[in-house]
Amino acid sequence: EAEVAQSPRYKITEKSQAVAFWCDPISGHATLYWYRQILGQGPELLVQFQDESVVDDSQLPKDRFSAERLKGVDSTLKIQPAELGDSAMYLCASSFQPVGGRKEAFFGQGTRLTVV
Amino acid sequence: AQSVTQLDSHVSVSEGTPVLLRCNYSSSYSPSLFWYVQHPNKGLQLLLKYTSAATLVKGINGFEAEFKKSETSFHLTKPSAHMSDAAEYFCVVSSFSGTYKYIFGTGTRLKVLA
Repeated sequence: EAEVAQSPRYKITEKSQAVAFWCDPISGHATLYWYRQILGQGPELLVQFQDESVVDDSQLPKDRFSAERLKGVDSTLKIQPAELGDSAMYLCASSFQPVGGRKEAFFGQGTRLTVV
Repeated sequence: AQSVTQLDSHVSVSEGTPVLLRCNYSSSYSPSLFWYVQHPNKGLQLLLKYTSAATLVKGINGFEAEFKKSETSFHLTKPSAHMSDAAEYFCVVSSFSGTYKYIFGTGTRLKVLA
């Protein structure tokens, strides 16, 4: 069964350092999402791509976070510099949305980031 | 704007007894609704989805949910809890504004007692 792949699974970094996460969505899924999940809370959308274009990054802290999906396939989320408050699970999801469709999102295993 | 409210942050049940996790939604049009489960340090797995077909939706692992438009509810149930059901459960509404977005509730942690 096709899955959303994320790496690394766990990352520990010192504050003020740079960190990057990678996501490979399910083949054929044009829509890709990055979510942040703080411990004990529900996931919150950081950025959404349609193919290679950003369609929503309203909740992305753009002074330190960046995201790209250059060829409309895999994606990278970067934080520079990392802050203690960035410690969270970062989840990638993808979906296929045909015209009029209401499909579910498929999630990866996530990257658990700890900033020390 | 679309939103979901999960009415209980924690639910405890004994093994073998029924499970009820409550979710209310707000949507300006006919919504798509989902329940996801998350085990510790894992990603989210889809349990079931409602997308305007049958109002009683059956999912994996014996879970089901009923869409009630008059009550704006989409509660998750299971007749008999198993120890492996202990996890975090999220109710999600799909919102469309050019593209589809998924809006999460705050989650319900289910504890199953032996």
